[in-house]
Amino acid sequence: EIVLTQSPGTLSLSPGERATLSCRASQSVSSIYLAWYQQNPGQAPRLLIYGASSRATGIPDRFSGSGSGTDFTLTISRLEPEDFAVYYCQHYGSSPPVPMYTFGQGTKLEIK
Amino acid sequence: QVQLQESGPGLVKPSQTLSLTCTVSGGSISSGSYYWSWIRQPAGKGLEWIGRIYTSGSTNYNPSLKSRVTISVDTSKNQFSLKLSSVTAADTAVYYCASGWERVDYWGQGTLVTVSS
Repeated sequence: EIVLTQSPGTLSLSPGERATLSCRASQSVSSIYLAWYQQNPGQAPRLLIYGASSRATGIPDRFSGSGSGTDFTLTISRLEPEDFAVYYCQHYGSSPPVPMYTFGQGTKLEIK
Repeated sequence: QVQLQESGPGLVKPSQTLSLTCTVSGGSISSGSYYWSWIRQPAGKGLEWIGRIYTSGSTNYNPSLKSRVTISVDTSKNQFSLKLSSVTAADTAVYYCASGWERVDYWGQGTLVTVSS
C-alpha cells in the first residue's frame, strides 16, 4: 500500500509570497495518477492539479504541479487571500489486490 | 457539469447501519463516464476513500472497510448508495459522494453523520 506524506504540516506565509508544498510517496508512482486538491473550511475539496502537472478546468495559472517518482510539489506562485486553505495530494493505484485512492494527510496554508 | 448531492440520516446509533444516497444531476450515471465513489473525512482530519461503483455494478472497496461496506447503484433514479454496517463512534465523519476515474473531478457538498446513542 502506498503512503503519501505531505510536508510541511502547516505553512505560514503572507499574500504575494510563493508557496511550495511537498508530497512524498512511499514508493515510486506514476505521475499520471497524482492529483492535488484544495479544501476550504466547511467545503468539499476541489481538484486543482491532475497528472502531477495539469491544471483542472478554471484553476488559475499561479497554481502549478511538478515532480515524478516519489517526490511531487504543488507551487502557488503568488498567494492570493483565497488560497489560504488545506491542500491534499492523492494517488490512484490500479494494481492488485484492489484499486485504491490514497490521500496525504494535508498541508494547512495559513496567513502569517 | 455533474452535480452530486448526499442525503440520509445525520445520526446513527452504534452497531447500526449507516445508509446514504447520492443523487446525480447534470449527467447520467449510466453514461460510463466515471466511477462513483464515497469518501469520508472525520472532523479536523484527512480524507479516506471508502469505495466506488461503476455503472455496471462492479465495485471496489477500501480493504480497511471492506467487511462492512456495500455500495450499490440505481440507474433508474440516477443514484448510488452507501451502506456501512456495525458503526462505532470512529465512523463519525463528513461523508462525500464523488465521481471521477483516477482522480476526483466532482464532489458533493458532504453530509455529516454522527454515530451516537
